[in-house]
Amino acid sequence: RKEVEQDPGPFNVPEGATVAFNCTYSNSASQSFFWYRQDCRKEPKLLMSVYSSGNEDGRFTAQLNRASQYISLLIRDSKLSDSATYLCVVSGTSYGKLTFGQGTILTVHP
Amino acid sequence: NAGVTQTPKFQVLKTGQSMTLQCAQDMNHEYMSWYRQDPGMGLRLIHYSVGAGITDQGEVPNGYNVSRSTTEDFPLRLLSAAPSQTSVYFCASSYVPGETDTQYFGPGTRLTVL
Repeated sequence: RKEVEQDPGPFNVPEGATVAFNCTYSNSASQSFFWYRQDCRKEPKLLMSVYSSGNEDGRFTAQLNRASQYISLLIRDSKLSDSATYLCVVSGTSYGKLTFGQGTILTVHP
Repeated sequence: NAGVTQTPKFQVLKTGQSMTLQCAQDMNHEYMSWYRQDPGMGLRLIHYSVGAGITDQGEVPNGYNVSRSTTEDFPLRLLSAAPSQTSVYFCASSYVPGETDTQYFGPGTRLTVL
């Protein structure tokens, strides 16, 4: 089993749609969780950290379920500019290490 | 601030050649790391450093060496390039070890080994 697993998609949605991505992780000792966004042929950039209580940033909502070891990202009112690959990232078993999921591809069309 | 810079942006090597990928950051970050990204595999950690003079192996260290003589620079050396090392390489840095802090990535080096 991979340490971090994501549905690779692609997800194709129309503008204005709501879309959700899930991510599961295998290391129950993980303490830090993030969603990164990566545009085509560019470097990843932090979208948001994920906190146990859940957190929201504009149209984006992240949730963490420690009991089931999964993380979710909800995007409301999708924009064309949301088209990208979304990477689930989890802290690893060793100091300073992060483990990346393979990414979920989102395409928002007019 | 330039952030994290990487050179070169593109490189083609022949099997057996060696080279160094350069990475520098001007944010005074202690933590730096190297990842490779392959289709369908996500980013995999090659080596990382928690400060000048301190390096450690990541998930896929074989065939690569690193050193950290200054806070700013973290070069990645390919000892004898192999086609399996064809990939996109990203350098990243953060103020504290990456578990709790935003990772800032460089623009990447696209390496092809023939």
